[in-house]
Amino acid sequence: NAGVTQTPKFQVLKTGQSMTLQCAQDMNHEYMSWYRQDPGMGLRLIHYSVGAGITDQGEVPNGYNVSRSTTEDFPLRLLSAAPSQTSVYFCASSYSRWGRGTRIFTGELFFGEGSRLTVL
Amino acid sequence: DQQVKQNSPSLSVQEGRISILNCDYTNSMFDYFLWYKKYPAEGPTFLISISSIKDKNEDGRFTVFLNKSAKHLSLHIVPSQPGDSAVYFCAASSSRALNEKLTFGTGTRLTIIP
Repeated sequence: NAGVTQTPKFQVLKTGQSMTLQCAQDMNHEYMSWYRQDPGMGLRLIHYSVGAGITDQGEVPNGYNVSRSTTEDFPLRLLSAAPSQTSVYFCASSYSRWGRGTRIFTGELFFGEGSRLTVL
Repeated sequence: DQQVKQNSPSLSVQEGRISILNCDYTNSMFDYFLWYKKYPAEGPTFLISISSIKDKNEDGRFTVFLNKSAKHLSLHIVPSQPGDSAVYFCAASSSRALNEKLTFGTGTRLTIIP
């Protein structure tokens, strides 16, 4: 059972280059998100999606684009890499359940193994 | 503005003893709290959660306590085992609508000494 798969695991970029971090999940989760982890900063939300065709910004969206054309895939694009984007990136998915007459976000995120990005 | 704070970057505990990890929050709208565990070179994994309608939730060796008036939660691990050595993140959310976001703390590195 694959769960959440991220590629690549490691990447080195030069300032100004662009690239895409891939994320795929096979659990039919409607919710997907991207986080970055930096020393002393915890996990910070970049972008998220509550379903195909729907995306929204998180806490630190600048310099990143996302799209969600299918339930399974949620790629993260770095438009023009900067050294400040050196980080470990995690993709996560989650499911909702019915409660109080509406869909409730469980908060129980399933994370990928991470992608370590270095921008020189 | 750190809305979820884990003030202890690291903690060392003897195997078999109790580990207590603490977390404070400032946003009074938070009403759902979770703990995640992270091993090196792996993604975080969900550990346990608690809703603000409770003050305690147990799952095996793990218990989370919530003190709403103090805006404080803690994770107790009893007894601590070497496999518990990891970084622990607490996280919080409000409303739990489908578009809700989690706010994470900065993490506490727990080391269990054999």
